[in-house]
Amino acid sequence: AQTVTQSQPEMSVQEAETVTLSCTYDTSENNYYLFWYKQPPSRQMILVIRQEAYKQQNATENRFSVNFQKAAKSFSLKISDSQLGDTAMYFCASKGGSEKLVFGKGMKLTVNP
Amino acid sequence: KAGVTQTPRYLIKTRGQQVTLSCSPISGHRSVSWYQQTPGQGLQFLFEYFSETQRNKGNFPGRFSGRQFSNSRSEMNVSTLELGDSALYLCASSPTGTGDYGYTFGSGTRLTVV
Repeated sequence: AQTVTQSQPEMSVQEAETVTLSCTYDTSENNYYLFWYKQPPSRQMILVIRQEAYKQQNATENRFSVNFQKAAKSFSLKISDSQLGDTAMYFCASKGGSEKLVFGKGMKLTVNP
Repeated sequence: KAGVTQTPRYLIKTRGQQVTLSCSPISGHRSVSWYQQTPGQGLQFLFEYFSETQRNKGNFPGRFSGRQFSNSRSEMNVSTLELGDSALYLCASSPTGTGDYGYTFGSGTRLTVV
């Protein structure tokens, strides 16, 4: 069974700073995908970034990048130049093969002006 | 391109009643998954449908059921509602359900059981 662990329940950062959100996972699948989702107070889950496990290159999307350590089963999200609009719950998720998409408990990020 | 549409957005039901929630996926998406989100339990997987077949099922009692129609629209039903069923119910769609294209979520249905 897949598991996803987010050990930090809450973080805060100053606007324009860089913050890293940690995530570890466990899966028996050889081919799997990892995701970071953002859920602002509007409650819409928004896909931030996606990583394919068989690709060694870390995914990047503008100010968002990941540090994917396959052997350590670690998948952290780095947000550069934090903006007030980044304030949200962030969820790490894993999907392997025909298995369900599994989410971590989430982490509340607050960006302060 | 229209996103994932969930209806209704808000619902208040009385304990013991039943409820049906609807999810219309993005056009062309054949996989639809349902999640229950609560502050205490986080996001819990309910079930996934692909081309009208249930592919995965979470650990929920039989009161929770779902189905998918030939146009990929999906419904979930909860019978004999309990207070603990109060939650945000999220639906997500994907072209294939394998993760290669990611999942797009709807805005959810907020169910309150009184």
